Amino acid sequence: GDSVTQMEGPVTLSEEAFLTINCTYTATGYPSLFWYVQYPGEGLQLLLKATKADDKGSNKGFEATYRKETTSFHLEKGSVQVSDSAVYFCALASGNTPLVFGKGTRLSVIA
Amino acid sequence: DGGITQSPKYLFRKEGQNVTLSCEQNLNHDAMYWYRQDPGQGLRLIYYSQIVNDFQKGDIAEGYSVSREKKESFPLTVTSAQKNPTAFYLCASSLGTGGSYEQYFGPGTRLTVT
Repeated sequence: GDSVTQMEGPVTLSEEAFLTINCTYTATGYPSLFWYVQYPGEGLQLLLKATKADDKGSNKGFEATYRKETTSFHLEKGSVQVSDSAVYFCALASGNTPLVFGKGTRLSVIA
Repeated sequence: DGGITQSPKYLFRKEGQNVTLSCEQNLNHDAMYWYRQDPGQGLRLIYYSQIVNDFQKGDIAEGYSVSREKKESFPLTVTSAQKNPTAFYLCASSLGTGGSYEQYFGPGTRLTVT
């Protein structure tokens, strides 16, 4: 079945560092891809999404590009802030099925 | 203000008791979902419903039950048959299922069973 693999955490960065969180997927057909973010003690919020190959999703300085050839959707941000500390989930959906989530990557940004 | 409400935020129960977690949405969404979150495991789908009076099992439905009598409400019962019920439970909703639809999440309920 469909699955998502994302890099293990935790990831600890200094403020203003460059962030990459890797995400690869396995799916039949042509899935839509998502990044969700979970701040401490809260539910998940959609951060960005891409629905077809070569699409770039972006929001709040975060970006991810849907790469069909490498089945990847890596999350990047040029300069992280302390307020970006959270757990980040990569997810996919194909056809009419619910989202399939990766295990999450915890990011800690220190001042 | 539209959104998803889960109550209570923290819930404590004794082993052997059934417990029902509440989820209400006023977004007029057709689809609703229940996930379980454990440290290092990500989110695992328990049940989902695409329309009133219909629901499907997810990956880890054993020991859980749901109902969908109203569009706005999708309560989850954790039964005594669930072997390891202590977890963080998240409810979500969307206009439909599949890749075209963003899922909106509630704030979660942390259940502790001792």
